[in-house]
Amino acid sequence: AQRVTQPEKLLSVFKGAPVELKCNYSYSGSPELFWYVQYSRQRLQLLLRHISRESIKGFTADLNKGETSFHLKKPFAQEEDSAMYYCALSGRSNYQLIWGAGTKLIIKP
Amino acid sequence: EAGVTQFPSHSVIEKGQTVTLRCDPISGHDNLYWYRRVMGKEIKFLLHFVKESKQDESGMPNNRFLAERTGGTYSTLKVQPAELEDSGVYFCASSGGAFSYNEQFFGPGTRLTVL
Repeated sequence: AQRVTQPEKLLSVFKGAPVELKCNYSYSGSPELFWYVQYSRQRLQLLLRHISRESIKGFTADLNKGETSFHLKKPFAQEEDSAMYYCALSGRSNYQLIWGAGTKLIIKP
Repeated sequence: EAGVTQFPSHSVIEKGQTVTLRCDPISGHDNLYWYRRVMGKEIKFLLHFVKESKQDESGMPNNRFLAERTGGTYSTLKVQPAELEDSGVYFCASSGGAFSYNEQFFGPGTRLTVL
């Protein structure tokens, strides 16, 4: 079954602390992995995707095919990182995004 | 450049009524997607247009939902007749290019409440 699992509904950390949002997936084949973010009163937007191997706003995510994970990390959290984070995947020939339930990240001052 | 727009932003209707949601994608984007998030559940894919053709409608829940994209520009999603379980937020997204890893740009969503 194709599935994305984000085990934490809510994650609360202090400003300056490291952040790791977990994402595990189940997919038969080689998926494309994404992290989307939704800030308060804003629309969903792409944060990063594994194919680009980029760092956006200090966030990185490494695809671990052995563990089927794509955890999102940031070494030093900032208050503006507070948002809803969604992990998602698509197939190489299938464009639909399959979504995790999302993790609400709260950065405490 | 204008982003993806959706209309209306909110809709409150009674069970059995009809509602039509509209999505205007980013100009030039051939790919248009509909998703929805029902309260307490994950965002779910509904369907994917490439230009005016339905590429994938595997996520459409039943035949009460009808999506169109005449002329390959804007799209409408009609729910007729609406049921209570149709309540949720309906998102539209668009993307350019021909790869699944291309970024999907999302609209603000339409919040549908069926009473």
